[in-house]
Amino acid sequence: DGGITQSPKYLFRKEGQNVTLSCEQNLNHDAMYWYRQDPGQGLRLIYYSQIVNDFQKGDIAEGYSVSREKKESFPLTVTSAQKNPTAFYLCASSTRSRSSNYGYTFGSGTRLTVV
Amino acid sequence: AQSVSQHNHHVILSEAASLELGCNYSYGGTVNLFWYVQYPGQHLQLLLKYFSGDPLVKGIKGFEAEFIKSKFSFNLRKPSVQWSDTAEYFCAVSPPWGNTGKLIFGQGTTLQVKP
Repeated sequence: DGGITQSPKYLFRKEGQNVTLSCEQNLNHDAMYWYRQDPGQGLRLIYYSQIVNDFQKGDIAEGYSVSREKKESFPLTVTSAQKNPTAFYLCASSTRSRSSNYGYTFGSGTRLTVV
Repeated sequence: AQSVSQHNHHVILSEAASLELGCNYSYGGTVNLFWYVQYPGQHLQLLLKYFSGDPLVKGIKGFEAEFIKSKFSFNLRKPSVQWSDTAEYFCAVSPPWGNTGKLIFGQGTTLQVKP
């Protein structure tokens, strides 16, 4: 079945460490997105990519980095510069065209905790 | 700042009560509007969407939403809730500029339905 796979489901990070969250999709979607979900704040966009080898900062990109070397994959690195990384991270993908109604598919998320 | 606002953060209802969750956005121009739901332990999934045409949109599981352009609103309704509707609900807007496909989410509303 087509879908988005995020791994790991739970991740613990020590202070000062970088960690990378995986996101893979087999939907042949051009666009991929990373959101951060915090209680009472909804989903906030970290980074997005509309096409391979290109990505754009979202609203809260500081302390994060991404790459888009393959269409299927959009890993997110949470760097030590991110002051408050403990959160639930959601990856999504979509068709790129406005005319195709931006069908978003979400992954099951990664819960990152700083210990 | 341009944004999406959900008025109710936490709603508690008894089964069979009617539901209305508010959503307002502050973007001018033509926007696309969405409601997503996140059941406990599950992926975010699309409830309904509005792109054009009839401003009253019907979605899955008996939900509907009405787009009122003059009020910049897209409120979600259900005439009679069930215990299984307990979930977090997110309003989202695809802004009118460019063709990025990115969605801006509201803060979310937690709905608790008592049996």
